Amino acid sequence: NAGVTQTPKFRILKIGQSMTLQCTQDMNHNYMYWYRQDPGMGLKLIYYSVGAGITDKGEVPNGYNVSRSTTEDFPLRLELAAPSQTSVYFCASSYADFTDTQYFGPGTRLTVL
Amino acid sequence: AQKITQTQPGMFVQEKEAVTLDCTYDTSDQSYGLFWYKQPSSGEMIFLIYQGSYDEQNATEGRYSLNFQKARKSANLVISASQLGDSAMYFCAMREPFDYKLSFGAGTTVTVRA
Repeated sequence: NAGVTQTPKFRILKIGQSMTLQCTQDMNHNYMYWYRQDPGMGLKLIYYSVGAGITDKGEVPNGYNVSRSTTEDFPLRLELAAPSQTSVYFCASSYADFTDTQYFGPGTRLTVL
Repeated sequence: AQKITQTQPGMFVQEKEAVTLDCTYDTSDQSYGLFWYKQPSSGEMIFLIYQGSYDEQNATEGRYSLNFQKARKSANLVISASQLGDSAMYFCAMREPFDYKLSFGAGTTVTVRA
């Protein structure tokens, strides 16, 4: 049981490039989330999904896109990378209820130069 | 308005002593969940402990306990018998019904001294 896995661990992008951050969970969780963490701050929600085929925006969705074709996978797409997207990105998953714990992946550290 | 406030940016604690990390929250809901996470220097987010708003007992998980004072909207984390491996950033977070996100505080850095 690997939990939540993310790839890559680190990435450097040039301004205007695009990339996809991969996230997979093996806990059969319905809900999946993408957060970003800026230096010295807590996490902010980018997008979330309540099941395959269903996604919605979080607090800071601009510049990102997501898809959820399976229960296990929830990739995050960055289009036209900007320096403001330099951050650590965390994927998380949980069961449905608001009392259920969100379990986080190890994170992807992204730098846009 | 800030939903989670952690007023201690950094704390030092002697090994084997206890430390209390403050967390206050703001919500108009009667039902909500409170969570604490640990983020070591390696960067991962590790779940520590959960307290439900209707739980009558304070949550405990090993050396971690939560001092929950609902009327004061306070959910302080107590780490007993601190170890060097407890040195990390600690985040308090809340999830309200019908809101999918966890709302995080700014975190408290704990440094355990030998």
